[in-house]
Amino acid sequence: SAVISQKPSRDICQRGTSLTIQCQVDSQVTMMFWYRQQPGQSLTLIATANQGSEATYESGFVIDKFPISRPNLTFSTLTVSNMSPEDSSIYLCSVQTGDGANVLTFGAGSRLTVL
Amino acid sequence: RKEVEQDPGPFNVPEGATVAFNCTYSNSASQSFFWYRQDCRKEPKLLMSVYSSGNEDGRFTAQLNRASQYISLLIRDSKLSDSATYLCVSGRRALTFGSGTRLQVQP
Repeated sequence: SAVISQKPSRDICQRGTSLTIQCQVDSQVTMMFWYRQQPGQSLTLIATANQGSEATYESGFVIDKFPISRPNLTFSTLTVSNMSPEDSSIYLCSVQTGDGANVLTFGAGSRLTVL
Repeated sequence: RKEVEQDPGPFNVPEGATVAFNCTYSNSASQSFFWYRQDCRKEPKLLMSVYSSGNEDGRFTAQLNRASQYISLLIRDSKLSDSATYLCVSGRRALTFGSGTRLQVQP
């Protein structure tokens, strides 16, 4: 399966600032997914990042708050804008495996704390 | 109502025990079903896919009941290393994760 590198692995940020999380995959993938896992909760899909088109956001998530870039088939970024303590979470990048089975492989996640 | 519902546990069982987790999903259009395992402070990793006919992988057996929209996971002969949170997952294009069931296997 694909190997995914995410950075930063963790960060502590001040309220009102923005942070960009990077996701690098060791192979070309069509779709990349960004999930959020808040403390004690399960994963919630933020958006699907498609190469060559705008990201598709899930209900409750908007581009102004979570802008996403997808410049090529191996890389994506997620920015958490104008952060508040409620944005403290783990943000995970994921890709589908190449066998068409809709199985997801995840990066190790970026643990964000907003003070 | 959550799209994927699981008993959060924790399930505390002795080594060697058999333990079963259940999960229900609300989207009848779902076509993909999985169990993922998540260790503390780690990312989720695929444990096994779930098929309508039921499937087994060593000590793990997964079953799907489409009529009842119900998924199960059975772990036989529990090991200490099975201690983790087990996430039930279903979906069609996008996957929806349950909140997880925490398992603690005790010596």
